[in-house]
Amino acid sequence: GESVGLHLPTLSVQEGDNSIINCAYSNSASDYFIWYKQESGKGPQFIIDIRSNMDKRQGQRVTVLLNKTVKHLSLQIAATQPGDSAVYFCAEKWGLQNFNKFYFGSGTKLNVKP
Amino acid sequence: KAGVTQTPRYLIKTRGQQVTLSCSPISGHRSVSWYQQTPGQGLQFLFEYFSETQRNKGNFPGRFSGRQFSNSRSEMNVSTLELGDSALYLCASSPGTSGQHRGFFGPGTRLTVL
Repeated sequence: GESVGLHLPTLSVQEGDNSIINCAYSNSASDYFIWYKQESGKGPQFIIDIRSNMDKRQGQRVTVLLNKTVKHLSLQIAATQPGDSAVYFCAEKWGLQNFNKFYFGSGTKLNVKP
Repeated sequence: KAGVTQTPRYLIKTRGQQVTLSCSPISGHRSVSWYQQTPGQGLQFLFEYFSETQRNKGNFPGRFSGRQFSNSRSEMNVSTLELGDSALYLCASSPGTSGQHRGFFGPGTRLTVL
């Protein structure tokens, strides 16, 4: 597959455990955030999003937490499965004038051990 | 609905040549954004097109350009290729209307410049 990052931080978890992936975002004015998952050889896949007027949002097996005070975003994956192995990116945008201009974090590689 | 398609999937060019990449968004989506992904710089925003108009641009030289057609299909062009242009080029489509920022990515075009 294609490498999306040579020196990505890696999180290794055991199958069935919960995973927490962290992201420090750059702009205190950011008003919308997305977590993407990218598997080798594929484009990023949407996981979950959150607006800045919320601090928590839940999806199926995933939860995103937003702490605006410290500009921190986290993605929690419950009961991690081998299929969750991928690189995870957080993305932020700010300002109505920026429409769909997103800034991406550098990514975290999640390795799920069976 | 069919997903975002990008053609070609792989491309090899030599320095000084030019290249055109194509992206067909999800049916009904009017916004197409382009990103460059490299191991060193990660995912970087190139530009976004909506209803045939560029409405946002990243910090790339003028050698990178794009356009969008009336059917929302988009092309990006890179002229006078440099070795550093080797990357995975991704496009993302979204409805493009206010509040609809969730981007759906295509598989990307892997460009190698020799």
